[in-house]
Amino acid sequence: GAVVSQHPSWVICKSGTSVKIECRSLDFQATTMFWYRQFPKQSLMLMATSNEGSKATYEQGVEKDKFLINHASLTLSTLTVTSAHPEDSSFYICSARGGTGPATEAFFGQGTRLTVV
Amino acid sequence: LAKTTQPISMDSYEGQEVNITCSHNNIATNDYITWYQQFPSQGPRFIIQGYKTKVTNEVASLFIPADRKSSTLSLPRVSLSDTAVYYCLVSPEAGGYNKLIFGAGTRLAVHP
Repeated sequence: GAVVSQHPSWVICKSGTSVKIECRSLDFQATTMFWYRQFPKQSLMLMATSNEGSKATYEQGVEKDKFLINHASLTLSTLTVTSAHPEDSSFYICSARGGTGPATEAFFGQGTRLTVV
Repeated sequence: LAKTTQPISMDSYEGQEVNITCSHNNIATNDYITWYQQFPSQGPRFIIQGYKTKVTNEVASLFIPADRKSSTLSLPRVSLSDTAVYYCLVSPEAGGYNKLIFGAGTRLAVHP
């Protein structure tokens, strides 16, 4: 199947700093990318959806000024956690879909473990 | 978006067949049913997708009754490496961007 790569796989940062997570579709063009966060023993929670060249659409309760999403090209989306705090520590996962055809499969990155100290 | 309901957890033993049923009573005409597998600290991995009747691939089968209000993922002869969380998702057919909303999933534990 297609490959979606996230970078970094894990990151530790100090409280108050910003962290950028990259999500790349390596062998297909991703018209839509999704960002999720997952806490231990819980399901994935959709944070936002981004389409290339458009502003991201955030889910209710997700602060768009805190979680900046940029889908600058058809192969790259970035999530920046601004002014991170310990409660932002979580597992962040991106997903990408390569088209709008019927039942287009979504491919997921390996996730990024963010720890804010 | 259709909401899905699955058992929170299941236990099985190596070599057994495991069937995980998902309810999606509000599924729409154009919705597809997709199952994902997730191991700890990894992103979900696609298992199988279907619209109606039965779909089979090299790892699983998906049974969907005529009313499509439920679906059953069947894993033949599970092994220890099948211990994971399994998610059933229902999403609209393409035509715009489609959200993938995850439910609670089913935590499958395979024992020796």
